[in-house]
Amino acid sequence: DAGVIQSPRHEVTEMGQEVTLRCKPISGHDYLFWYRQTMMRGLELLIYFNNNVPIDDSGMPEDRFSAKMPNASFSTLKIQPSEPRDSAVYFCASSSGLAGITDTQYFGPGTRLTVL
Amino acid sequence: AQKVTQAQTEISVVEKEDVTLDCVYETRDTTYYLFWYKQPPSGELVFLIRRNSFDEQNEISGRYSWNFQKSTSSFNFTITASQVVDSAVYFCALSDAKKTSYDKVIFGPGTSLSVIP
Repeated sequence: DAGVIQSPRHEVTEMGQEVTLRCKPISGHDYLFWYRQTMMRGLELLIYFNNNVPIDDSGMPEDRFSAKMPNASFSTLKIQPSEPRDSAVYFCASSSGLAGITDTQYFGPGTRLTVL
Repeated sequence: AQKVTQAQTEISVVEKEDVTLDCVYETRDTTYYLFWYKQPPSGELVFLIRRNSFDEQNEISGRYSWNFQKSTSSFNFTITASQVVDSAVYFCALSDAKKTSYDKVIFGPGTSLSVIP
């Protein structure tokens, strides 16, 4: 399996522009997660889906952020309009959702977003 | 409010030494989950373990072991016979598990471990 795929790997945009980050989870995984990592705030779980349905979006910072999972093999995280403080590395992860220690999360390589 | 404290900001050890990374958490929930993640210098994130609050058995996986003590609200991580490849930032995390094990996850600030050859 190719693992969790994220695109783009790097994104540089100007303040006010719309940014869309993409994630393809591992086939057969029922859970998909979006995380953000910044120097100031550390690691944060933004939102996660189970069977394409958002379960907990309490980590989404503002209405400017939205996430969708139209099918089991694709998710997007959109920021509109983007601001410099959104600059971060955004990680996507997926897991099978099995109980116990076997429920391993697998992470994508991350998207490094820079908003100028 | 929930909180995760990793008091050790940076640790350096010589290869083959054992090292313990501390994690202390605060929660009012009776059901919760605890996690450890590894972030090597290359930047990727690696999931290491998830443990629920009802399972206080210690866990061992190769050179890695975890000691969960509810009495002290700690979930410490020990690496035995450390290797250079263990050099990374290690994050401890806590969730309130209202619906699934990942609800309201919060992360500690991380401990940077350097293993010197």
